[in-house]
Amino acid sequence: GEDVEQSLFLSVREGDSSVINCTYTDSSSTYLYWYKQEPGAGLQLLTYIFSNMDMKQDQRLTVLLNKKDKHLSLRIADTQTGDSAIYFCAESMMNDKIIFGKGTRLHILP
Amino acid sequence: NAGVTQTPKFRVLKTGQSMTLLCAQDMNHEYMYWYRQDPGMGLRLIHYSVGEGTTAKGEVPDGYNVSRLKKQNFLLGLESAAPSQTSVYFCASRSTSGTIHGYTFGSGTRLTVV
Repeated sequence: GEDVEQSLFLSVREGDSSVINCTYTDSSSTYLYWYKQEPGAGLQLLTYIFSNMDMKQDQRLTVLLNKKDKHLSLRIADTQTGDSAIYFCAESMMNDKIIFGKGTRLHILP
Repeated sequence: NAGVTQTPKFRVLKTGQSMTLLCAQDMNHEYMYWYRQDPGMGLRLIHYSVGEGTTAKGEVPDGYNVSRLKKQNFLLGLESAAPSQTSVYFCASRSTSGTIHGYTFGSGTRLTVV
């Protein structure tokens, strides 16, 4: 069935790199997304990658896609306190829906 | 542009009471969605709509009804609230044009049923 899996928690020291991983099941997904949710707020689209790409870089963010293993990752370089949030991995289905993972809570250590 | 606006932001209901959550978007998006977010459960789709006058069930539709009489509005109704419906509710909209097709989310409605 349709499923997106990601670990629930990640702790990283300020200034280090954060890597959040995700696996998905539908090989026909056209887009894969990373959303960020700050406390008390809705989800905001952070970045996305088209399924025919294997890497996308946007300032401190790097998205890697391994279609063979159905694995997506988000790397945040030089992690800062403002990066503390829940990060959701999501895949776009052929029907009208986007399937979300349960979210990874990123905690920044001083 | 306001994007997606949800009202109210907070509400406390007694068991058995009814209420309607309103979602309004000003981006002319065709698709609209209602999700609930619970700790450790991620986002679960309640109902969605692919256009004015159409609605469809999502993953957890029981106890909820929806209506999309106007393209810009998507209403979520609770006819008889239960404590299990205590949650944070998010509305989202999505365009079918453009290349990204991601969602735009509202800021959420925190509902407590006592």
